[in-house]
Amino acid sequence: DAKTTQPPSMDCAEGRAANLPCNHSTISGNEYVYWYRQIHSQGPQYIIHGLKNNETNEMASLIITEDRKSSTLILPHATLRDTAVYYCIVYGGSQGNLIFGKGTKLSVKP
Amino acid sequence: NAGVTQTPKFQVLKTGQSMTLQCAQDMNHEYMSWYRQDPGMGLRLIHYSVGAGITDQGEVPNGYNVSRSTTEDFPLRLLSAAPSQTSVYFCASSSEGLSYEQYFGPGTRLTVT
Repeated sequence: DAKTTQPPSMDCAEGRAANLPCNHSTISGNEYVYWYRQIHSQGPQYIIHGLKNNETNEMASLIITEDRKSSTLILPHATLRDTAVYYCIVYGGSQGNLIFGKGTKLSVKP
Repeated sequence: NAGVTQTPKFQVLKTGQSMTLQCAQDMNHEYMSWYRQDPGMGLRLIHYSVGAGITDQGEVPNGYNVSRSTTEDFPLRLLSAAPSQTSVYFCASSSEGLSYEQYFGPGTRLTVT
């Protein structure tokens, strides 16, 4: 059963910030939020993960709401190469697998 | 480092044939896993391993076998291929478990006729 809900698709203009939302209203206290992306036909690529504090790395920022029921992945200056399917995953390590749902297909347009 | 490598990149099998998909990593990662991805779907875990000599089933293990004799290699065997196993197969590895950053291979595209 999917633990996360994401919009199926989003568009973003090149150079603008891309904000990808994810709802995870049933998240447990020990579960992290992970983001991966998959560029056409390639293997998925790890982006970022967090527990309850906001996180930033060289690729993106992750904003988690205070109640942890939703989060937003921010790509600050989207480029055409950021066009991909983005997966939001909730995982606590107690079960055997990361559940990749259908994700959000982000299209960055010139 | 080559990272995670998979061979072959493409394969066509007839129903009933068997074959082994190869996966290797050179990052000394303990954890390795196999996923399949069907058109328009997310990834589903087939089998995973937490170290040499230890394997476990994932979400969709039927029709597949794995073994982990070395840290580097994690082959996936299809015992008797079926059209339902037509898919793209990805191998992944991570340093400290499934909850950490996973590195994925480029995938093997398998068609069973």
